[in-house]
Order: sequence, then C-alpha cells, then structure tokens
Amino acid sequence: EVQLLESGGGLVQPGGSLRLSCAASGFTFSSYAMSWVRQAPGKGLEWVSSISGSGDSTYYADSVKGRFTISRDNSKDTLYLQMNSLRAEDTAVYYCARDPAVVVVAATVFDYWGQGTLVTVSS
Amino acid sequence: QSALTQPRSVSGSPGQSVTISCSGTSSDVGGYNYVSWYRQHPGKAPKLMIYDVSKRPSGVPDRFSGSKSGNTASLTISGLQAEDEADYYCCSYAGSYTWVFGGGTKLTVL
Repeated sequence: EVQLLESGGGLVQPGGSLRLSCAASGFTFSSYAMSWVRQAPGKGLEWVSSISGSGDSTYYADSVKGRFTISRDNSKDTLYLQMNSLRAEDTAVYYCARDPAVVVVAATVFDYWGQGTLVTVSS
Repeated sequence: QSALTQPRSVSGSPGQSVTISCSGTSSDVGGYNYVSWYRQHPGKAPKLMIYDVSKRPSGVPDRFSGSKSGNTASLTISGLQAEDEADYYCCSYAGSYTWVFGGGTKLTVL
C-alpha cells in the first residue's frame, strides 16, 4: 500500500525557515517523480514544486522560486521541501504527492497524496 | 499562473447528473490535453479522479467522466451518490513545467 507521511510543519515567524519531510513507503521511491502541493486555509490547491525520480530535475511555481528548494534522498525514501524567507501567504497545508512517471513531464498527475502538514507563518 | 476558473458550487439530487466546468486559456487548458480532476472530502487528502482530460484511474467508477472543448474542461458525475459530496478541483499543465489548479467547486448532494 502506497503511503506518504509528511512532517515538519509548525509555526514560524515571517522571514524564517522550515524544512518539510515526506516519508514514502509501499513503492519503489526512486522510480517516481514527486511533488509538493499546498492549500491555504479555506482555499484551493496550488502546485508548489516537482522533482524527478533521480532528483536531477526540479521545477518551481513562480510564487516560491528562489525561496523554496525541493530535494529527495532515495536511500531514505524521503522527499524534502526547504522553505526560506517565509511569508504570511505561505501559510497552508503542504501535501506531498506522487507522480506515476519517473521523470517530470507535461502529463504529470498526482496519483497518491499524503495527509499534509500545516505550516503557519505568523509573528 | 492564474488559477483556472470553476463554479464555486453545484448541486444535484441522488441519481441525477452534474457537470463541473473548468475554464482556462490557450496557455493551459486549451493548449494541452493534460487536464486532471481531484476530489477532496473535508479534512482529507485529494484523490485523483480523471487524468489526461478523460481517462479514469483504476478503481474510479465509470460514473465519472471528463471532456474538453476549447479552453474549458468539464467533469461530469452521473448517478449522483451521497459519497460524491465533496470539493472538486481541476488541474492543467500550463507550460514550462508548471501546473495550475482551479479554485475548486463544492458539490452538494441534495
């Protein structure tokens, strides 16, 4: 059974940093691209970032480019999102999601999702 | 990367059909056949219901169908059931390895 378990969320001050983790199990982690998608309280979904199965290719939404870094450790079956220079508008539940393909392609979809971790940016 | 436009809410009675629209531009919905739909129950993670405009993942009932015309994609749910009550989101490839979601539609089963 595919399982994705996010952790690392919490309360952080504006301008601060946080690193999210997503522990994967039930599938061969390195064979799948992975993504982060967020959802602000009471709002819709927003794609944040994607990474290929090897970790060689990464992609970001304009809203987080230059501030967030996606990475993965295939030896630990874990996906990461390093978030720096956090802003109030980054407050959201952050979901990690699996892509059925090993590389990130235009046809990327999100076929399995974790339960999410809440990040609150506030002073 | 502006969000795709979805109606805020739709409703239908059990057994009826409803259609949720998802409007974009020629840079996203209209430019690619890579529209997907997700269902999200309150407090739960989203679930993939449709991909590549009209394909259903294994396990998704054939009551769910997708289509696209021009810059607008649609999700149709036939034979409405109580469990279909949820929020639905469309998503489209938007070029340059970016993806955009719709604002979401709340489906109420009357």
